[in-house]
Amino acid sequence: DQQVKQNSPSLSVQEGRISILNCDYTNSMFDYFLWYKKYPAEGPTFLISISSIKDKNEDGRFTVFLNKSAKHLSLHIVPSQPGDSAVYFCAAPFGGGAQKLVFGQGTRLTINP
Amino acid sequence: NAGVMQNPRHLVRRRGQEARLRCSPMKGHSHVYWYRQLPEEGLKFMVYLQKENIIDESGMPKERFSAEFPKEGPSILRIQQVVRGDSAAYFCASSPTYTGELFFGEGSRLTVL
Repeated sequence: DQQVKQNSPSLSVQEGRISILNCDYTNSMFDYFLWYKKYPAEGPTFLISISSIKDKNEDGRFTVFLNKSAKHLSLHIVPSQPGDSAVYFCAAPFGGGAQKLVFGQGTRLTINP
Repeated sequence: NAGVMQNPRHLVRRRGQEARLRCSPMKGHSHVYWYRQLPEEGLKFMVYLQKENIIDESGMPKERFSAEFPKEGPSILRIQQVVRGDSAAYFCASSPTYTGELFFGEGSRLTVL
């Protein structure tokens, strides 16, 4: 049962433009969401999170939007830079406060110069 | 301040052999998580441990897999009698508190021939 889904396996964006990565979820009990970034042969690193009581959280070039009625969140990166090329995972904690996370399948973002 | 250290980075085993993956959490972190990433999939939670205790092993396969986090030394994920389907990247993560941010290691890539 895939509770968190990223339906786009890959995305290609021109440098300087906006990158939008999408994530859908099925479990309405999730109370916050996280985005992780992963380079090849490295572990995921935390990027940004959002609580379910908010609809937007911004950190520099990165903004996450949450639409609870649609069970959808998105990560916006603007302007996109070559160093943003990576795989992005959305995730949500399940089973209590501990960091048991359920991850989406990931979206590979490529920023073209 | 070293990050989460995993070794070996790459491990090749033949079917039926044992695989041992080690994880040293960040200094001061007493919460350790193991995740598995199968090819083209997101990370999946396996087990959550604190020193000398398995807190939640709900994501562990029922057979052949075990984990420990002894009082001294690294956490170990042990896979007995490996099969080809065990080929995956195994990520360890640690956090300083029950709800603290997860810091991931670079992963151990297991290949079963």
